Amino acid sequence: GNSVTQMEGPVTLSEEAFLTINCTYTATGYPSLFWYVQYPGEGLQLLLKATKADDKGSNKGFEATYRKETTSFHLEKGSVQVSDSAVYFCALVPTGGSYIPTFGRGTSLIVHP
Amino acid sequence: EAQVTQNPRYLITVTGKKLTVTCSQNMNHEYMSWYRQDPGLGLRQIYYSMNVEVTDKGDVPEGYKVSRKEKRNFPLILESPSPNQTSLYFCASSLSWGATGELFFGEGSRLTVL
Repeated sequence: GNSVTQMEGPVTLSEEAFLTINCTYTATGYPSLFWYVQYPGEGLQLLLKATKADDKGSNKGFEATYRKETTSFHLEKGSVQVSDSAVYFCALVPTGGSYIPTFGRGTSLIVHP
Repeated sequence: EAQVTQNPRYLITVTGKKLTVTCSQNMNHEYMSWYRQDPGLGLRQIYYSMNVEVTDKGDVPEGYKVSRKEKRNFPLILESPSPNQTSLYFCASSLSWGATGELFFGEGSRLTVL
């Protein structure tokens, strides 16, 4: 079956530090890949996505590149802010069949001033 | 404002007492789904619906029922709740059924079954 593996958290950084959250996946074919963010007390919201190999998704200073050869979709940001503190979920949706999403376990990010 | 609305947001109930969590979206989305979020497990899909009167099981459907009689509503029914259904539940919708669509999530419903 499909699976998504994210790095364990929490990730604790100082403001303006560089962020990387690793995400690797297992799936048949070429799924679409997503990063969702969950702020405290809220539902998830889409951060960025990529639907084919070598695509780069970007939003709010965050970026992730769909790497087919390494089955990865790592999330990066050059300079984090306190307001980026949240839980980040990597997810895949297969391109055939039931389109049931598979989510990673989530990575908590804490940014200190 | 485009949104997915869930109710109740918080609920404490007892084993065996039937309950319904409502979900409504105002974006005319065809696709709706329910997830549960448990610590260390991420989100797992319970049921989904591709359109009115069309529903199907997700990864963890046991102990749950759904119905889709109107496009905007997709209630989650727990006929006989048990403590292992204590969880945070999210409803989500998407414009269409497919691999590339963005999911819009509600704010969540925290359920405790004693």
